[in-house]
Amino acid sequence: EAGVTQFPSHSVIEKGQTVTLRCDPISGHDNLYWYRRVMGKEIKFLLHFVKESKQDESGMPNNRFLAERTGGTYSTLKVQPAELEDSGVYFCASSQDRGGRTREQYFGPGTRLTVT
Amino acid sequence: AQRVTQPEKLLSVFKGAPVELKCNYSYSGSPELFWYVQYSRQRLQLLLRHISRESIKGFTADLNKGETSFHLKKPFAQEEDSAMYYCASKGTDKLIFGTGTRLQVFP
Repeated sequence: EAGVTQFPSHSVIEKGQTVTLRCDPISGHDNLYWYRRVMGKEIKFLLHFVKESKQDESGMPNNRFLAERTGGTYSTLKVQPAELEDSGVYFCASSQDRGGRTREQYFGPGTRLTVT
Repeated sequence: AQRVTQPEKLLSVFKGAPVELKCNYSYSGSPELFWYVQYSRQRLQLLLRHISRESIKGFTADLNKGETSFHLKKPFAQEEDSAMYYCASKGTDKLIFGTGTRLQVFP
């Protein structure tokens, strides 16, 4: 079974440009999460989808970040316009609900974003 | 707000030595705690969770509510244990991570 996949693996863009990151969760997983690790800091939660709905977006840093999950399958995270402080590794994770409880989160390999 | 603290950025030991990776949490309720590991060139993966009280790859972690700690231990480190280790707590459905500790096990 394929795990969580993310594209691209690495993106280098200039400040002010737009970048779109994609995450494909494990098939059948309703829950999809985005996290970010900025250099030297902890992995921080950005937001959580349940199917196509945003369950919790309390971690989104500002309105330059837009996440979507149309159809409840894959998700995109767009940064527009990118700033230097957006550089970091963006992780996606997915999990399924079973018996009323959310199960283990499975992580993708991450997308390394470098803003120059 | 929930917080997870891992005071050590780097822990270096020799093969066969005991290992303890420290993790402290702040949470007023009943925490759900995890250890995640990321080996070189691999993705982040769950190592163990406190509710299952299991031992994975020789690692154990005990929740100490009095000290608000969830330290990860292994009696005899192996070279293949070298990796980045993250302690995390679960808040609603999201994970709250510590800054991670890099474990280096020398031959």
